[in-house]
Formats: sequence, structure tokens, C-alpha cells
Amino acid sequence: GAVVSQHPSWVICKSGTSVKIECRSLDFQATTMFWYRQFPKQSLMLMATSNEGSKATYEQGVEKDKFLINHASLTLSTLTVTSAHPEDSSFYICSASKADNSPLHFGNGTRLTVT
Amino acid sequence: GQQLNQSPQSMFIQEGEDVSMNCTSSSIFNTWLWYKQDPGEGPVLLIALYKAGELTSNGRLTAQFGITRKDSFLNISASIPSDVGIYFCAGPTGANSKLTFGKGITLSVRP
Repeated sequence: GAVVSQHPSWVICKSGTSVKIECRSLDFQATTMFWYRQFPKQSLMLMATSNEGSKATYEQGVEKDKFLINHASLTLSTLTVTSAHPEDSSFYICSASKADNSPLHFGNGTRLTVT
Repeated sequence: GQQLNQSPQSMFIQEGEDVSMNCTSSSIFNTWLWYKQDPGEGPVLLIALYKAGELTSNGRLTAQFGITRKDSFLNISASIPSDVGIYFCAGPTGANSKLTFGKGITLSVRP
């Protein structure tokens, strides 16, 4: 069964608004979660590493003020896309591993469409 | 940075056929992972490989960790329509399970 739950599975928002995506680890604690973005017909690109109790680590080229990450508990990380624009429309996927150096398990993704 | 190369971008096979996919890198990886992604969903882990030379099976899927630690292959035997999807290889490139993905191979299976 699923070990990582993501919500919502899809969202449509207007340009300029903010959208929050939740990622939960089920039945295990995750001190680290990862947020990926995937454009159509492309691979997964790591956006940021979410660290419980501390600041997220962003990959080069990802704006930390635009993609706010909060990892307030050991089972929940949130990604907020602020002031969304149409070019932010994408498939956002979170992931977590049950233990260090264990394979990542992925949520089912969130399809964001900004109109 | 470390990159994983997968080609071709798409493969088309007949139901019942076997198919092999390769993943290569110019750098050494200590772990190789194979994921499958169905449309509109997150990737699902198929097989994890941890030792050079390791050969691991999961049902009709078999994957091997190359001896040089710079490549891996995934075989699917007796393909069925539900094998359709995108197959990614991935490997850790940093601490805390941070993964790099190949570009993926889209598999189509003709009934």
C-alpha cells in the first residue's frame, strides 16, 4: 500500500493566488522529504529537500520565496506555491524514505494548473 | 553533476515480448533504483540494487547492477498491456536519499 500520501491530487487556481500542497508519510516518520517537479514528457527534477525542524534546502534555480516549504512535523511537509503564474503549472511530487539510504517512496503527485 | 542516461526515449513492443532497458552513467553509483510511473501518478519503486553484479527479480521484472557500477539494466519478460508506462532509473547523489533520475523510457505494449 501507499507509504506517502499527497493532497490534493489536482488543483486549478487563478494567476496571482497561492496554493498549498501537503505530503504525509504514512506509518513512519520522515525527517527528510523531497519535492520534485515534472513537466510533461520530462523527468523528475528535484526542487528542494525539506528538513523537519529546519530550513529547506533548495536546488539551484528554484526560488525559495516562491516555493515555500514547511516541515513542521515528522510526518508532514507542505509546499506552497506563492503568487502562482501559468508557467508554474506542472506536476509536483513529494517523496520520503523510511530510513536513511533506503529507497524513496513517492506520493501520487499534484497536478497544478494556473489559469 | 552526476547524470543517468536512458535511451531510446520510447520503445514499442508486442504483448508477450520481452524488453530490456539500459541505464548508464559516467559516474559510479552505489545504488541503482528502477521506478515505473503511470500517467498522472507518482513513480513506484520496482527494484532496488545495492551491490555491483547483483541480479534481482520482482515477478516478471529482472534488474542487474553492472560490475563497473556505471550501468544497470531492467528486463521485462512476457510483457502485458499494464506494463505500459515510463520507466526511470535513479541513483542517490547526495545525503539523505537525494535522487537523480534518468530521463525515462516510455514503453508502449501493443495487444
